[in-house]
Amino acid sequence: DSGVTQTPKHLITATGQRVTLRCSPRSGDLSVYWYQQSLDQGLQFLIQYYNGEERAKGNILERFSAQQFPDLHSELNLSSLELGDSALYFCASGGVGLMNTEAFFGQGTRLTVV
Amino acid sequence: GESVGLHLPTLSVQEGDNSIINCAYSNSASDYFIWYKQESGKGPQFIIDIRSNMDKRQGQRVTVLLNKTVKHLSLQIAATQPGDSAVYFCAENTYGQNFVFGPGTRLSVLP
Repeated sequence: DSGVTQTPKHLITATGQRVTLRCSPRSGDLSVYWYQQSLDQGLQFLIQYYNGEERAKGNILERFSAQQFPDLHSELNLSSLELGDSALYFCASGGVGLMNTEAFFGQGTRLTVV
Repeated sequence: GESVGLHLPTLSVQEGDNSIINCAYSNSASDYFIWYKQESGKGPQFIIDIRSNMDKRQGQRVTVLLNKTVKHLSLQIAATQPGDSAVYFCAENTYGQNFVFGPGTRLSVLP
């Protein structure tokens, strides 16, 4: 168990809908990273938050947004869903101190858009 | 479980043999590297890390080698076991930035 909790584990929704994925980082970790993993691609970085503020942005679609709350949990919002958004979405946490440190991954949310 | 990356390069090794998984990274400014193991249907699991001021680091049955000159990283697994079968990713990081993952290698351990 990595200590990173993601909910829900599975999500099935229709095209055009909006969903929210939730991530609780490991205790004490300040950074939260979101990644998308599709069948034909590796882990694609979406966005990173550090202590409530956006730190880095990857190839995140405009239909997607995220935030990190004062208690450090994070939510990834996906809207106007398309079939191609079906993927595994992972959250990772890390970054306790000044040095870059390992990122620990949650078990992911499997999103299926039908 | 669902497979990850249907077109991944695959390394097949006999049980008990040593495995070497290679990774070329892209950013010469990267100063921190991690190897992750991902089993089907699960999240990536941290295996071992190395910082750019080192060229070798050993863990339990695993060794990571870093060659900054050619931007190459390798993971050596000693006495490979069936439980080592998984997809292995290298990840590079520059302080303050996100982790960038390589495409992954599927390790298949043959009985």
